[in-house]
Amino acid sequence: DSGVTQTPKHLITATGQRVTLRCSPRSGDLSVYWYQQSLDQGLQFLIQYYNGEERAKGNILERFSAQQFPDLHSELNLSSLELGDSALYFCASSQGPFQETQYFGPGTRLLVL
Amino acid sequence: AQSVTQPDIHITVSEGASLELRCNYSYGATPYLFWYVQSPGQGLQLLLKYFSGDTLVQGIKGFEAEFKRSQSSFNLRKPSVHWSDAAEYFCAVGDDYKLSFGAGTTVTVRA
Repeated sequence: DSGVTQTPKHLITATGQRVTLRCSPRSGDLSVYWYQQSLDQGLQFLIQYYNGEERAKGNILERFSAQQFPDLHSELNLSSLELGDSALYFCASSQGPFQETQYFGPGTRLLVL
Repeated sequence: AQSVTQPDIHITVSEGASLELRCNYSYGATPYLFWYVQSPGQGLQLLLKYFSGDTLVQGIKGFEAEFKRSQSSFNLRKPSVHWSDAAEYFCAVGDDYKLSFGAGTTVTVRA
């Protein structure tokens, strides 16, 4: 158990819908990262937040957005869902803003039908 | 930009035999290197990491990895594989803020 929690574990929805994935980092960690794992793209970095502020962006679609709240939990919002958005979404956390060891949560498996 | 290559998509090994998983990276500066393992239906668990210092690093579950700058490699090894080591293994290189992962190597352990 890494100490990073993610909810829900599984999510099934329809195209065009919007979903919210939630992540709580390890106690004491200020950075949260979101990654997408799909069969065709592998593991891809989406976005990083540090202490409530967006710090870095990767291959995140405009239909996707994220935020980190004062209690440091983070949410990833996916809207106008397409079949290709079906994937495993991981959250990771680390202590500081710069490259450190990232600890991963169990992931949320999203299936878009 | 940094990148990671794991040349072996799938490896089958007998229980008790040794295992070596290859990882080559491309990165301009001194790399931060990681190995993670993902069991079926599970998240990513950190096996070991290299930031600096001793180029042979020890990790959990009996794994070790050796950083070779001249070969841009960070291969993972285990002397004697257990059936529970069947999983997918990912090598990653870190820059200032993100991890870039290889495509992964699936390890099958046969009795």
